[in-house]
Amino acid sequence: QQQVKQSPQSLIVQKGGISIINCAYENTAFDYFPWYQQFPGKGPALLIAIRPDVSEKKEGRFTISFNKSAKQFSLHIMDSQPGDSATYFCAASKGAQKLVFGQGTRLTINP
Amino acid sequence: NAGVTQTPKFRVLKTGQSMTLLCAQDMNHEYMYWYRQDPGMGLRLIHYSVGEGTTAKGEVPDGYNVSRLKKQNFLLGLESAAPSQTSVYFCASSYSGSKNIQYFGAGTRLSVL
Repeated sequence: QQQVKQSPQSLIVQKGGISIINCAYENTAFDYFPWYQQFPGKGPALLIAIRPDVSEKKEGRFTISFNKSAKQFSLHIMDSQPGDSATYFCAASKGAQKLVFGQGTRLTINP
Repeated sequence: NAGVTQTPKFRVLKTGQSMTLLCAQDMNHEYMYWYRQDPGMGLRLIHYSVGEGTTAKGEVPDGYNVSRLKKQNFLLGLESAAPSQTSVYFCASSYSGSKNIQYFGAGTRLSVL
């Protein structure tokens, strides 16, 4: 039972390009949607998060777009840099309950 | 400030052996979690705890046991390791507030031969 589906599994983007990772969820009770970033050999770390009362949240080069009616949300990385190369996980939760994670996307930014 | 510390970092077991993974957090968090990470599967919740002395099953609890005797520690046990338990294990902790921001350790890479 995969409540959060993430795509693509891997993504290669040229330096300076836009990286886009998509997630779809099933449970309409979810009210918190974070993205985590994981570098090799490290644990995931919170990157940015959104609640369903807004359609977009931007922090620097990272933007979450949220479509409540479609039950989809996406991460956009503008001006992608080699240092952004990592695995990205979307997740969802209801309140303070446990997070449900997507399958992960391995992002590679070519210099 | 150490955050979330996991020990050991690496371990190789033979099928049938037992071991305990230790997670310690110094942020006074109420909630603690154990996940396993496998290629293409994301992070799957094994067990979690919402406070000292309490534990609950997650998505993939079979073959694992946990204990939370102290607020700062969360132990994951494998009583009889199987090759299917070869994985990278992550511990995380969070406040009990609504934001559910989880802080992860660096992981334990376990191989079961």
